[in-house]
Amino acid sequence: GDSVTQMEGPVTLSEEAFLTINCTYTATGYPSLFWYVQYPGEGLQLLLKATKADDKGSNKGFEATYRKETTSFHLEKGSVQVSDSAVYFCALSGRAAGNKLTFGGGTRVLVKP
Amino acid sequence: GAVVSQHPSRVICKSGTSVKIECRSLDFQATTMFWYRQFPKQSLMLMATSNEGSKATYEQGVEKDKFLINHASLTLSTLTVTSAHPEDSSFYICSAPGTTNGDNEQYFGPGTRLTVT
Repeated sequence: GDSVTQMEGPVTLSEEAFLTINCTYTATGYPSLFWYVQYPGEGLQLLLKATKADDKGSNKGFEATYRKETTSFHLEKGSVQVSDSAVYFCALSGRAAGNKLTFGGGTRVLVKP
Repeated sequence: GAVVSQHPSRVICKSGTSVKIECRSLDFQATTMFWYRQFPKQSLMLMATSNEGSKATYEQGVEKDKFLINHASLTLSTLTVTSAHPEDSSFYICSAPGTTNGDNEQYFGPGTRLTVT
């Protein structure tokens, strides 16, 4: 079945540091890929998405590129802020799965001033 | 963008009682909604798929009689935790797939934190 693997946290960074969170997936066909962010005590918010190979999703300074050849969708941000402290989830949705989302385990990011 | 609401945001109940959580799509219709459970510092676990006008589809290991799901209209799904016990304490999140762009994007509610005492 479909699965998503992302690096375990917590990841602790200083403000303005470079952030990378690795995400790889296994799926049949051509899934859509997503990054969701969850701030403390809140639900999930879509951060960015990509629906086909080589697409780059971007939002709020975050970027991720759909790499079919390496089945990866790594999240990057060049300069993090304290407000980026949150849990980040990589997820995929396969059309064959009826829009069900398969989530990675989540990566907690803590940005210190 | 599409908005999904949940009510209540927090609920505390006594062991043995039942609790109902509502999930509403505010500006779009959803024939399907998903219910997730999230334990502290863990990922989301899909519990069931709520289908408007028909029975819900439960994931393996989820007790159907424990977690009752009703999808009475195209904008409302409810999850009832029956005879709640402390181990049912968790963060429950619903989502609904958008239908306007066909790229499988889902919209999440803000979650409901259930505490069973």
